[in-house]
Amino acid sequence: DIQMTQSPSSLSASVGDRVTITCRASQGISNYLAWYQQKPGKVPKLLIFAASTLQSGVPSRFSGSGSGTDFTLTISSLQPEDVATYYCQKYNSAPGTFGQGTKVEIK
Amino acid sequence: EVQLLESGGGLVQPGGSLRLSCAASGFTFSSYAMSWVRQAPGKGLEWVSGISGSGGSTYYADSVKGRFTISRDNSKNTLYLQMNSLRAEDTAVYYCAKDHLPRSVNDAFDIWGQGTMVTVSS
Repeated sequence: DIQMTQSPSSLSASVGDRVTITCRASQGISNYLAWYQQKPGKVPKLLIFAASTLQSGVPSRFSGSGSGTDFTLTISSLQPEDVATYYCQKYNSAPGTFGQGTKVEIK
Repeated sequence: EVQLLESGGGLVQPGGSLRLSCAASGFTFSSYAMSWVRQAPGKGLEWVSGISGSGGSTYYADSVKGRFTISRDNSKNTLYLQMNSLRAEDTAVYYCAKDHLPRSVNDAFDIWGQGTMVTVSS
């Protein structure tokens, strides 16, 4: 099965900073990659699908890029409400493996 | 409004069984593949199982294959997960999730239920 590896596992940044999270697949998955945001005590929320398409209602400071094995989630200007754990997920075929998550905190 | 509501969680002894349900509303249930995703306390998300809109195709994580069975009743707009031979490591919040696009088999999940807690302990 394809493994999904996120880095870093956690980060601390200041409000207004540009934040980048990386997700690497152990084999190519084209652009079948989604990003989710899970705030503490809440249900996961779809942010980006097809590697770079923003889900309706998601703020434009979030963006995704990549194809094949290497993907990136970028928050262009970190806001206090962005404190959460972020997960990538591949969905080209079952199993729909998730990355281990990246916890984002405010410095 | 599109909604998913899970039920059926609880405390069960190791080796026991439990059936989870997920009631869907606000969309054409039979047109969408559905999945179960779980999250152990303090841990990350783990995809568990998926099923096509018709119910004709099913998929399982290796960790649950042979013990869990996913099914759906499109006449009742309900998704199920039958869990047998439960282990302590199955303890988690179980979410049902809807595929983003209709008539797809593998897709991102755009709607999630609130989750139901399953605790396996003696």
